[in-house]
Amino acid sequence: ETGVTQSPTHLIKTRGQQVTLRCSSQSGHNTVSWYQQALGQGPQFIFQYYREEENGRGNFPPRFSGLQFPNYSSELNVNALELDDSALYLCASSGTSGKETQYFGPGTRLLVL
Amino acid sequence: AQSVTQLGSHVSVSEGALVLLRCNYSSSVPPYLFWYVQYPNQGLQLLLKYTTGATLVKGINGFEAEFKKSETSFHLTKPSAHMSDAAEYFCAVSPSNFGNEKLTFGTGTRLTIIP
Repeated sequence: ETGVTQSPTHLIKTRGQQVTLRCSSQSGHNTVSWYQQALGQGPQFIFQYYREEENGRGNFPPRFSGLQFPNYSSELNVNALELDDSALYLCASSGTSGKETQYFGPGTRLLVL
Repeated sequence: AQSVTQLGSHVSVSEGALVLLRCNYSSSVPPYLFWYVQYPNQGLQLLLKYTTGATLVKGINGFEAEFKKSETSFHLTKPSAHMSDAAEYFCAVSPSNFGNEKLTFGTGTRLTIIP
């Protein structure tokens, strides 16, 4: 059974640029959630996708957007990057009921200069 | 709205000593509660979770936690610390009556093990 994978592992961008982060969910999982973890903080919920539809969003501006594909993999897109967007971005997948445990990937560390 | 408070951002214990990491929650609906561990430069790994039923929950690596509704607490314990337990620990909550698990995390407790 393949776990949650994310790419790339590290990324450096400059302010104002756009970035796309990718996540492959665990086999059999159709729900993907994205979290932002700033240095020294706990993860903050960005949004969740269930069967290719957004299914809840945290307190993040519209420049944070996402997609989920038919194979349940997902992308997180961030436009007009700001310095405060520097963080570890975590993807988590969970199963069909929507109430199942979330399994996290290793994360993508984004640095905005 | 739900929230969790982790008391103590840093905890140090001697190898072989009791580990106690504190978590208190606030929730207007019955909560689901979780403990996750994060090793350096890695993602989060689930240690244990409470949903319904038995209030004493056993997890991986010898950890356990007890849900105490009267104290709104879900403290994590391990009888004997091992060097490999050194990591960041996060308590999290989600609403049990929601159709999905949107986790709200605490700020974390960094556990250091003293040889």
